[in-house]
Order: sequence, then C-alpha cells, then structure tokens
Amino acid sequence: DARVTQTPRHKVTEMGQEVTMRCQPILGHNTVFWYRQTMMQGLELLAYFRNRAPLDDSGMPKDRFSAEMPDATLATLKIQPSEPRDSAVYFCASGLGPVWNTEAFFGQGTRLTVV
Amino acid sequence: SQQGEEDPQALSIQEGENATMNCSYKTSINNLQWYRQNSGRGLVHLILIRSNEREKHSGRLRVTLDTSKKSSSLLITASRAADTASYFCATDSGNTPLVFGKGTRLSVIA
Repeated sequence: DARVTQTPRHKVTEMGQEVTMRCQPILGHNTVFWYRQTMMQGLELLAYFRNRAPLDDSGMPKDRFSAEMPDATLATLKIQPSEPRDSAVYFCASGLGPVWNTEAFFGQGTRLTVV
Repeated sequence: SQQGEEDPQALSIQEGENATMNCSYKTSINNLQWYRQNSGRGLVHLILIRSNEREKHSGRLRVTLDTSKKSSSLLITASRAADTASYFCATDSGNTPLVFGKGTRLSVIA
C-alpha cells in the first residue's frame, strides 16, 4: 500500500539544536511538498520540488531552514538552529504530474516541540 | 499566506444531516481541491474540481465551484460520526500549488 513515510513522528529538542526531518515520497511521484501546520497559521507551504529541483521555497525562513532532495526517494527538511516558535507539525506530501494539477498524498507528519 | 478561506470555522450536526462547508479564494485558479484531516493524522485528498467545471460528485460528496464569485462548497450528505474531521480547501493558481485555508472542523454527533 503506497504511502508517504515521514520520520521521526515526534521530536522534542532544545532550542538551538539542529533538527532534521525526513520524508520518503511515494515511489514514482515527482513532486514533493513540505508544509507546516499550527493552530494560528494553519497549513503553510514551506517548499516544493519537482523532479528533485526546488521550485519555490519562498515560504521558508531562509536563515534557519533548508530543504533538499538528495535523491528521488528522500526529501529532508532541516532547521538550524531551532527555536520555540518552530514548534509545529511538519507534513511532507508527494504527487505525480504537473505542479499545478497535483493531487497530494500526505505523510503522517512530524510533531516538533522545541523547548 | 492563505489563498482559500473556509467557512464556517466549526460545524456541529447530528448524524444523518447534511453538512455544507464553503471556501472563498482571492485570485484566479486552475483547480480547487478538498482534503480531509482526522485528528493527529495527515490530510487525505477527497476531490478535485477544475476551473471549467461547476459541479462534481464522489459518493456522498458534492462539490460546486463558482469562479465568478471565487467560491466553492463541499456538501456531505447523510453524515456519519466517522465524517468527524477537519476539511480544507486548497487552491492551485499559476506557479503556486496547493495553498490551503485554515479549515472547517466538522463534528457529527451520533
């Protein structure tokens, strides 16, 4: 049963530490999204990739966040250094087809708590 | 920033009743999608409606799109307790895909 896999599911870290979240998109999907969900802001699009190339990461705080796709089976989102305001649920989603017409399949999310 | 905005923010109905949620958006779109999120889980795609379509059905779901009013509605007929979840619309415009609203929290009481 094809699904998007995110690890870890939960992460508690101290302020200032580096956090790496990983995502395995569905095999064959060529579009990958990273979202952040909080009660106040809802779902925010942080970045997305097509065929491993970053198309838009304007939603991401550049000074501390970075997103990469080392290969077609792995997407990573790093925060360095982490801050309490980064506490949120981070979702990865993948899809197939043009970016403008993609049904997204979501992972279960990584719940990040920065203390 | 949010493109779509769902209304109402929260909705509570009895099992068997119909639930209607609305989504308004600001700029022209290629298509609009509806997703569902159960508590603590990822979002699940429900239905996609293209900008040249006015209505679409999928099981107990009916989606309408009015591009002149920049709005869409999601109707769930004969609701069940298992329909309790948050529902999101996501718009797709130009180079920016899948911008989500803040969602409608639906509670279906058995």
